[in-house]
Amino acid sequence: KQEVTQIPAALSVPEGENLVLNCSFTDSAIYNLQWFRQDPGKGLTSLLLIQSSQREQTSGRLNASLDKSSGRSTLYIAASQPGDSATYLCAVNGNQFYFGTGTSLTVIP
Amino acid sequence: NAGVTQTPKFRILKIGQSMTLQCTQDMNHNYMYWYRQDPGMGLKLIYYSVGAGITDKGEVPNGYNVSRSTTEDFPLRLELAAPSQTSVYFCASSYSTGIQYFGAGTRLSVL
Repeated sequence: KQEVTQIPAALSVPEGENLVLNCSFTDSAIYNLQWFRQDPGKGLTSLLLIQSSQREQTSGRLNASLDKSSGRSTLYIAASQPGDSATYLCAVNGNQFYFGTGTSLTVIP
Repeated sequence: NAGVTQTPKFRILKIGQSMTLQCTQDMNHNYMYWYRQDPGMGLKLIYYSVGAGITDKGEVPNGYNVSRSTTEDFPLRLELAAPSQTSVYFCASSYSTGIQYFGAGTRLSVL
């Protein structure tokens, strides 16, 4: 069974810092990996999707990388802003979708 | 475009009662999913569907049933509610294995 782990569970940074969120998975037989953002009491919003054949994807200040062979993905957020405060979840799509437990990010003004 | 719409937003059930959580999408997506999210946990897949008339179990299907008679609708049925089913339920849809779009969720308490 696929196990998805996200480290750290919580992160607090001052505004303007660059930061990296980590996601690791145990089974490398995946189709793609998605990063989501979840605001308190809300649904999930997709940020980036990386196909298994890709190494990275970029959208604005966000950059996600995928190393399938080592079972790792990172989400890089540049020049963090208070509006980035949320929980970030990664999800691995193999034979089914498996989510990590998320990283709760707080950006301090 | 409304996207993915879930009803109701909140519900309190008594143990043993039944209910149906509704999910509708207007994006003509072929794939639809039901997840549950317990406090401090990630999402766990309950059931999914790759098209009308086709459904399959996810990681935690016990106590739930689904049907997919149309492309747009994917209702989730709880037959005999138990306290362990207290959770937030999310419906999502996608075109094949692409980006998933989520509804706002249904918060269910079973007392």
